[in-house]
Amino acid sequence: GQNIDQPTEMTATEGAIVQINCTYQTSGFNGLFWYQQHAGEAPTFLSYNVLDGLEEKGRFSSFLSRSKGYSYLLLKELQMKDSASYLCAVRDGDYKLSFGAGTTVTVRA
Amino acid sequence: IAGITQAPTSQILAAGRRMTLRCTQDMRHNAMYWYRQDLGLGLRLIHYSNTAGTTGKGEVPDGYSVSRANTDDFPLTLASAVPSQTSVYFCASSVTSDNEQFFGPGTRLTVL
Repeated sequence: GQNIDQPTEMTATEGAIVQINCTYQTSGFNGLFWYQQHAGEAPTFLSYNVLDGLEEKGRFSSFLSRSKGYSYLLLKELQMKDSASYLCAVRDGDYKLSFGAGTTVTVRA
Repeated sequence: IAGITQAPTSQILAAGRRMTLRCTQDMRHNAMYWYRQDLGLGLRLIHYSNTAGTTGKGEVPDGYSVSRANTDDFPLTLASAVPSQTSVYFCASSVTSDNEQFFGPGTRLTVL
């Protein structure tokens, strides 16, 4: 199985930058995903990393270090609409996803 | 509009009753999944199907069954509901098991 850890909550100011860390221990690794989930809604795909390094997509970037079992999601120029839960998910050798419990980000004016 | 739909949106069910949650996608995705989401535990995989006609067990399959008779539909059945199955259930699909998953709107189930 998988052991995926991420902080429970984070708070930041509008316009600022927030970094959400995710550490994992897996019995096989086939990529790491980040999803965004607004309260009462379905998760939506944000980013995917399978090789080490940084993937940038607009205001959002995701980083992976496979040797350290570590990833982070970087949210820049925070907006009020970025208030949501951010889910780290690891895909194992059987291509099944295991999710962390999620990090709730609150953006304050 | 292409996408993934779930029914019902919410349901209150007496313990011991049988219940089927429906999931349909029109994106011609090969892989489909059922998750439950509980506060503090995150999403947990119940069952999955990599292609029509095949299914597999996830992390928490006990008390649930699935079928995949065709590409579009992936129903989840609770044969005899118990209160611990109170949760929000999400269906998801992906082009193949190697691609990102798209999630349906969820079904909120309460078992009393």
